[in-house]
Amino acid sequence: AQSVAQPEDQVNVAEGNPLTVKCTYSVSGNPYLFWYVQYPNRGLQFLLKYITGDNLVKGSYGFEAEFNKSQTSFHLKKPSALVSDSALYFCAVRDTRSNDYKLSFGAGTTVTVRA
Amino acid sequence: SAVISQKPSRDICQRGTSLTIQCQVDSQVTMMFWYRQQPGQSLTLIATANQGSEATYESGFVIDKFPISRPNLTFSTLTVSNMSPEDSSIYLCSVDAAGRMNTEAFFGQGTRLTVV
Repeated sequence: AQSVAQPEDQVNVAEGNPLTVKCTYSVSGNPYLFWYVQYPNRGLQFLLKYITGDNLVKGSYGFEAEFNKSQTSFHLKKPSALVSDSALYFCAVRDTRSNDYKLSFGAGTTVTVRA
Repeated sequence: SAVISQKPSRDICQRGTSLTIQCQVDSQVTMMFWYRQQPGQSLTLIATANQGSEATYESGFVIDKFPISRPNLTFSTLTVSNMSPEDSSIYLCSVDAAGRMNTEAFFGQGTRLTVV
């Protein structure tokens, strides 16, 4: 079975400060990990993914994420947050041992960046 | 990548009626997925729709309530039948454009359904 946990419902930061959104996962094999962002009244937009290789993954809009196998984590980071980063963020996982293509999503973290 | 057009973007419906949501993709894809996102909650997979076969429903979702069509490799519909206020949600269509486990899924902009 595969699952994702996002321990924080909300993250609030000031513009220009670092932003971190936490994600931990559980799989029986190895994980394929994804981050998505959802703006109000919009669908999900893909930010970045970890498949294999370098543990630090860079994605869209200045976001990056670090894969940590020992801690089963894949935290999303941005060195300097913008007000426009305020949105709902989802972490998702696929288990490499799974025979299907289903994604399991975390509960989501609402990010608010104040000016 | 894939561009997904989902219609309608929103609707307000009377209880007991049905609504059909359309999902059009700009390229041929094998797998399409339908999700529900209830207010303030995460995404829950309703079913997987593969062309040429019956949709596969997740636990808690049944074909009579959420019939799905997949007539070709670029189009699918989800019908929400005999609606009640509990069906008020955002419904999202998603595709796996590359058909590989290590590729990202793409999503339509969603259909915001309110049942009154």
